[in-house]
Amino acid sequence: EPEVTQTPSHQVTQMGQEVILRCVPISNHLYFYWYRQILGQKVEFLVSFYNNEISEKSEIFDDQFSVERPDGSNFTLKIRSTKLEDSAMYFCASKFLAGTDTQYFGPGTRLTVL
Amino acid sequence: AQSVTQPDIHITVSEGASLELRCNYSYGATPYLFWYVQSPGQGLQLLLKYFSGDTLVQGIKGFEAEFKRSQSSFNLRKPSVHWSDAAEYFCAVGAENSGGSNYKLTFGKGTLLTVNP
Repeated sequence: EPEVTQTPSHQVTQMGQEVILRCVPISNHLYFYWYRQILGQKVEFLVSFYNNEISEKSEIFDDQFSVERPDGSNFTLKIRSTKLEDSAMYFCASKFLAGTDTQYFGPGTRLTVL
Repeated sequence: AQSVTQPDIHITVSEGASLELRCNYSYGATPYLFWYVQSPGQGLQLLLKYFSGDTLVQGIKGFEAEFKRSQSSFNLRKPSVHWSDAAEYFCAVGAENSGGSNYKLTFGKGTLLTVNP
């Protein structure tokens, strides 16, 4: 069964460093998402992406964050200058159709900022 | 803005017992409602979803949920729990974008299920 994959599973970085989290959505999917979950808190929506542009973003998704689909298979989340409070589990999701189709989630990348 | 409340942070049941996980939502329009499950080290797996129609929905692994608009609830049930059901369960509501082509999920805090042998 096709699945969303994410790499790395765990990333440790120093505060102020740039990180790129990678996701490979299911191959024929057209809508892409990033969510995050700070330890002990809710899973929160960050951004949705369709047709090579951001379709919606949350207030968390400030200028430090960016997303890209560089090559038609990967979907990346970049954090330009990490802060301690960016430490979280980051989930990528994708779906095929518009409307009410299901979002399928990857296993997550745990980001630890020291 | 939409929100989801899962009142129970941690539930312990015995194997073979019945299970009900509670979920209440707040959303101005007809909600899209979901239950996801997360096992350690795994992603969020969809158990079931409600968009419209029959308010009792069946999902995978023997789970079902009932949408009750009057109570703003979408509780998850299973008649007989198996040890492999031990995991964290998340209820979520989908909020449509203005064009109706997409939705973002708002999650509850999750309920951790422990199953005793």
